[in-house]
Amino acid sequence: ETGVTQTPRHLVMGMTNKKSLKCEQHLGHNAMYWYKQSAKKPLELMFVYNFKEQTENNSVPSRFSPECPNSSHLFLHLHTLQPEDSALYLCASSHPIARGGGDTGELFFGEGSRLTVL
Amino acid sequence: GQNIDQPTEMTATEGAIVQINCTYQTSGFNGLFWYQQHAGEAPTFLSYNVLDGLEEKGRFSSFLSRSKGYSYLLLKELQMKDSASYLCAVRVLNYGQNFVFGPGTRLSVLP
Repeated sequence: ETGVTQTPRHLVMGMTNKKSLKCEQHLGHNAMYWYKQSAKKPLELMFVYNFKEQTENNSVPSRFSPECPNSSHLFLHLHTLQPEDSALYLCASSHPIARGGGDTGELFFGEGSRLTVL
Repeated sequence: GQNIDQPTEMTATEGAIVQINCTYQTSGFNGLFWYQQHAGEAPTFLSYNVLDGLEEKGRFSSFLSRSKGYSYLLLKELQMKDSASYLCAVRVLNYGQNFVFGPGTRLSVLP
């Protein structure tokens, strides 16, 4: 139990569907992230939010739309996806920068949402 | 650009020592992290280096040389449960912060 919860854990959708992934953290962090993990590829950063402001959009196609209503919740809205978007989507959170005193500011990951696009 | 490189796969024997190397070229370096990821699970934090040198944490140690853009993770007294992927990640500071990950090294520990 990392303190970061993702739902749903598994999702199968057609290319014309609209669905959303949800992430919630109970760690008091102010930075939240979406990563994509495909087979045999590095973890790929998609979006970063610091204090609810989007600070990074790593050239992600517009069919992925993030939303961060507050520091504890992060959503990834999905529409008209392609089969190559099938992957594990990982949410993570951290303190914005290492605060010292033994706090490394590392990422805490959720268990991921396994997405299959048919 | 940001680039991190690691060996794709390694194999070692139970009880042995294994060293997993990581090289990086990044801008805005603000620390190097190692994560462990078992199949089907989330990555979990193992170690952190921001200054040059060795950090030891039980059976795991991590080394950093910033001038060489090089780190390694050392695992001692290998156990079967250490079979996992090991991810090297660099935290970079731009407008905010983000973490750039290497491809991961899949370690298989054999009896």
